[in-house]
Amino acid sequence: DQQVKQNSPSLSVQEGRISILNCDYTNSMFDYFLWYKKYPAEGPTFLISISSIKDKNEDGRFTVFLNKSAKHLSLHIVPSQPGDSAVYFCANVDSWGKLQFGAGTQVVVTP
Amino acid sequence: NAGVTQTPKFRVLKTGQSMTLLCAQDMNHEYMYWYRQDPGMGLRLIHYSVGEGTTAKGEVPDGYNVSRLKKQNFLLGLESAAPSQTSVYFCASNFGGQDGGYTFGSGTRLTVV
Repeated sequence: DQQVKQNSPSLSVQEGRISILNCDYTNSMFDYFLWYKKYPAEGPTFLISISSIKDKNEDGRFTVFLNKSAKHLSLHIVPSQPGDSAVYFCANVDSWGKLQFGAGTQVVVTP
Repeated sequence: NAGVTQTPKFRVLKTGQSMTLLCAQDMNHEYMYWYRQDPGMGLRLIHYSVGEGTTAKGEVPDGYNVSRLKKQNFLLGLESAAPSQTSVYFCASNFGGQDGGYTFGSGTRLTVV
């Protein structure tokens, strides 16, 4: 039973526009939610996190929103750049540091 | 460069063969993890360790064993490889926090024929 779901396997966005990636979760007990970015033939790299006690966290072009009542989080990338083309994973993390990942969303930024 | 190093990067095994994947980190992290990535399924946790000499099962541990004899190394073993273990394997380490301080290796692509 997948507790973290990314229902959009792919997203195409024009350079300079906003990318919005969505993630739903079922278990409300986790303290943190994380977003990772992955290029082909590389390991995932940490992008941004949000604590469960917050509803927004911003880091440069990246903003993550958390809606606890809907059990939903989203990642906004503004403006999108060609180097943002990658697979994005959302994940929650338990007290042992174990990550539970969604299936990922492939983002393609077009010129 | 500091980080997580995985060896080998690629390997082809025949069904029934055994092998060990090595993960080494030089950041003095306490926690180490082995994940596998399969198409359409994200990364799933195989085994993890919260310190030298400790190991625990993750979500998909069957067919794998691990050892953490030294703090910097986390070994993943396949005793009798099966085609279902064809995957990309990632090792990660973490200092113990929950807010994102995980470092992943670049992966090992394993094919079992």
